[in-house]
Amino acid sequence: DGGITQSPKYLFRKEGQNVTLSCEQNLNHDAMYWYRQDPGQGLRLIYYSQIVNDFQKGDIAEGYSVSREKKESFPLTVTSAQKNPTAFYLCASRRRSEDTEAFFGQGTRLTVV
Amino acid sequence: GQSLEQPSEVTAVEGAIVQINCTYQTSGFYGLSWYQQHDGGAPTFLSYNALDGLEETGRFSSFLSRSDSYGYLLLQELQMKDSASYFCAVQFGNEKLTFGTGTRLTIIP
Repeated sequence: DGGITQSPKYLFRKEGQNVTLSCEQNLNHDAMYWYRQDPGQGLRLIYYSQIVNDFQKGDIAEGYSVSREKKESFPLTVTSAQKNPTAFYLCASRRRSEDTEAFFGQGTRLTVV
Repeated sequence: GQSLEQPSEVTAVEGAIVQINCTYQTSGFYGLSWYQQHDGGAPTFLSYNALDGLEETGRFSSFLSRSDSYGYLLLQELQMKDSASYFCAVQFGNEKLTFGTGTRLTIIP
């Protein structure tokens, strides 16, 4: 079955450590996205990628980094520069077209202690 | 900048109709989408409006008016399982996909 997979579901890290969240899709989608969601809040765009080896900053990119070396994979690194990293992180992908829907992974809940 | 504003919370009665509004301050986007998210889960796509007017998909309908910078999601024959958060989103030509602030819908018996 095609889909988008995020791992792990729960992640705990100590303050000051970098951590990488995995996102893999087998939908053959070109566009991929990372969003952050805080309790009771909307989805805020961190980074997005239209195609392999290319990505753009979203609205809250500071303290985060990404790579897009393969079409299927779009990992997100939360660096120690991110001042408030504890949040729910959602990865999404979609086909490049005007009217296509985004498919989301089940999310990674990151807690920094 | 780009902003999409929604009411934070809405409560409605089972079996009734509810409208969730989305007002935006952005331009040049392809269309307006709506997504549903249950607590702790992933958002799922509900509808998409490329043109002004009403789009109907079963119990759900969505409306867009670009001249009024406004859209809404209409849910009919409400069921308890419709209790969730609902997000509007705009898609731009460079594939950027921006979401609204979200509305938490609570259905009461």
